[in-house]
Amino acid sequence: NAGVTQTPKFQVLKTGQSMTLQCAQDMNHNSMYWYRQDPGMGLRLIYYSASEGTTDKGEVPNGYNVSRLNKREFSLRLESAAPSQTSVYFCASSIEGTRDTGELFFGEGSRLTVL
Amino acid sequence: AQSVSQHNHHVILSEAASLELGCNYSYGGTVNLFWYVQYPGQHLQLLLKYFSGDPLVKGIKGFEAEFIKSKFSFNLRKPSVQWSDTAEYFCAVTRGSQGNLIFGKGTKLSVKP
Repeated sequence: NAGVTQTPKFQVLKTGQSMTLQCAQDMNHNSMYWYRQDPGMGLRLIYYSASEGTTDKGEVPNGYNVSRLNKREFSLRLESAAPSQTSVYFCASSIEGTRDTGELFFGEGSRLTVL
Repeated sequence: AQSVSQHNHHVILSEAASLELGCNYSYGGTVNLFWYVQYPGQHLQLLLKYFSGDPLVKGIKGFEAEFIKSKFSFNLRKPSVQWSDTAEYFCAVTRGSQGNLIFGKGTKLSVKP
């Protein structure tokens, strides 16, 4: 039982390049999330998907797009990377949104550097 | 907008010292409260949570937190820290009937052996 799996773990991009971060969970969770973590800023929600087929913006969605491919997978795409998007990205999932059980299960993180 | 404040950015303690990390939130309605921990190089994991009932919540590894509604606070405590408690600690809040987790900016705890 792998939990939440993210790929890649590390990536270096040049400004203007595009890339997709992949996330998959095997816990049959309905809700999935993408956060970014920056020093002194904590975790900020980029996008979330409350259930398969829905996606919504979080606190910092600009410059990102997401796709909930199926119940297991939730990808995050940077269409034209900028240095301000240098960060550690975490995917997370929860059973049915955080209002019921509250617990998020996190992936190991993807460290992205944009030069 | 709802916010979560963690007052200490970095706390340095010696082993066996007592720990208290502050957390305050700004929302006045029903809230669910959480502490997450991130050990060096690892992902976040849940330490403890409060939904309702006894305001003193016990979590894993000897941690506890007390919800004080009148102070909008949910401080994390441990009577005697260990070197292995070195980590970053995040307080988080979600509103009772909706909403996603709002995280504080985190407090780094360094425990000297």
